[in-house]
Amino acid sequence: EVQLLESGGALVQPGGSLRLSCVASGFTFSTSAMGWVRQAPGKGLEWVSTITGRSLTYYAGSVKGRFTISRDNSKNTMHLQMNDLRAEDTALYYCAKDGGTYFFDNWGQGTQVTVSS
Amino acid sequence: QSVLTQPPSVSGAPGQRVTISCTGSSSNIGAGYDVHWYQQLPGTAPKLLIYGNTNRPSGVPDRFSGSKSGSSASLTITGLQAEDAADYYCQSYDSNLSGPWVFGGGTKLTVL
Repeated sequence: EVQLLESGGALVQPGGSLRLSCVASGFTFSTSAMGWVRQAPGKGLEWVSTITGRSLTYYAGSVKGRFTISRDNSKNTMHLQMNDLRAEDTALYYCAKDGGTYFFDNWGQGTQVTVSS
Repeated sequence: QSVLTQPPSVSGAPGQRVTISCTGSSSNIGAGYDVHWYQQLPGTAPKLLIYGNTNRPSGVPDRFSGSKSGSSASLTITGLQAEDAADYYCQSYDSNLSGPWVFGGGTKLTVL
């Protein structure tokens, strides 16, 4: 059974930083693309970033230059380093596994990020 | 504004059929890229419902079906049940953006 467990969400001030983590199990992590999708309160889903099994990275325009996605295949873990956080980054951040052709076939339960002074 | 356009809400009575549309453009659905659908029940994480336009993952009832034509796609739910009340999102690939993964704005399904 695929399991994805996010952590690292918190309340942070504007301009601050956070590092999210996603620990995966139940599949071959090292060859799977993984991504982050966020959902602001009362809003829809927004793709944030994806990292392939070969560590190619992709970012949404709204976070490019501020967020960095990475993975540690030895620990079946993906990270999202978020810098220069803004109020509009406030959201529930989901870790998701890519199903092979640009869709997400498994999702975690999410970790809450709140950016506020 | 989402790259993929969905109606904000649809509704239907138990047993009825409802269809949710997803309209894209020549850089995503119209370019031939696949459309995928997700169901998000209240207070829960999204769940993959349809992938590759028409395919259902194991465990998804055959009451749910997907189709695609031109720059649009549709999710159809037949034999509507109370437990189908949820938000539904379409998703595809877009060649114009810095990253390929794009979502629709979501459609809230109300079962009357």
